[in-house]
Amino acid sequence: GAGVSQSPSNKVTEKGKDVELRCDPISGHTALYWYRQSLGQGLEFLIYFQGNSAPDKSGLPSDRFSAERTGGSVSTLTIQRTQQEDSAVYLCASSLNSVLGRWEKLFFGSGTQLSVL
Amino acid sequence: DAKTTQPNSMESNEEEPVHLPCNHSTISGTDYIHWYRQLPSQGPEYVIHGLTSNVNNRMASLAIAEDRKSSTLILHRATLRDAAVYYCILTGTASKLTFGTGTRLQVTL
Repeated sequence: GAGVSQSPSNKVTEKGKDVELRCDPISGHTALYWYRQSLGQGLEFLIYFQGNSAPDKSGLPSDRFSAERTGGSVSTLTIQRTQQEDSAVYLCASSLNSVLGRWEKLFFGSGTQLSVL
Repeated sequence: DAKTTQPNSMESNEEEPVHLPCNHSTISGTDYIHWYRQLPSQGPEYVIHGLTSNVNNRMASLAIAEDRKSSTLILHRATLRDAAVYYCILTGTASKLTFGTGTRLQVTL
């Protein structure tokens, strides 16, 4: 596609429910990143994928959070038993590969606004 | 990762140049200096990056100090559409970008 696509753009859920957030990276991009941004805060790294494997999951806040990527393309971020503190904008980004020094830059989607009531 | 320091906020008048500073005194020889910006209600977008020499593109210019301990993002003529949070980020061999709090730029008529 032309850019990174995320769905849904908005998600309202009740505390305790599970949610799935989807990211469609730019075609051909092997690296995919998930960040989250709470209201008025900076971006917090969650996880990144190189192909289908996740070399760095260090930012996942708890075991309620998981992510997978299949076919080297679409990724899903799943939050189980959502809590109110999970409310944030979840941003996905992709790049051609994950060596970000010289050549690479990240392309971000517009995010999914998650509200947990 | 080496750390960057930016002012929390800056103001500019429309159609005037804006110089956004970034200090990175612990930068290593392999760190590139990247700038991203985040417009309201959008994901961040790439602006420019460089290593040692000054860089220009259609969006902005990047001036890098000779000792590389600081850099300045230059918007030559600010417009209302340039109002955003600007992030200065160092990358070496990192495989992820670590965003700080950035500089919130306000542009007024």
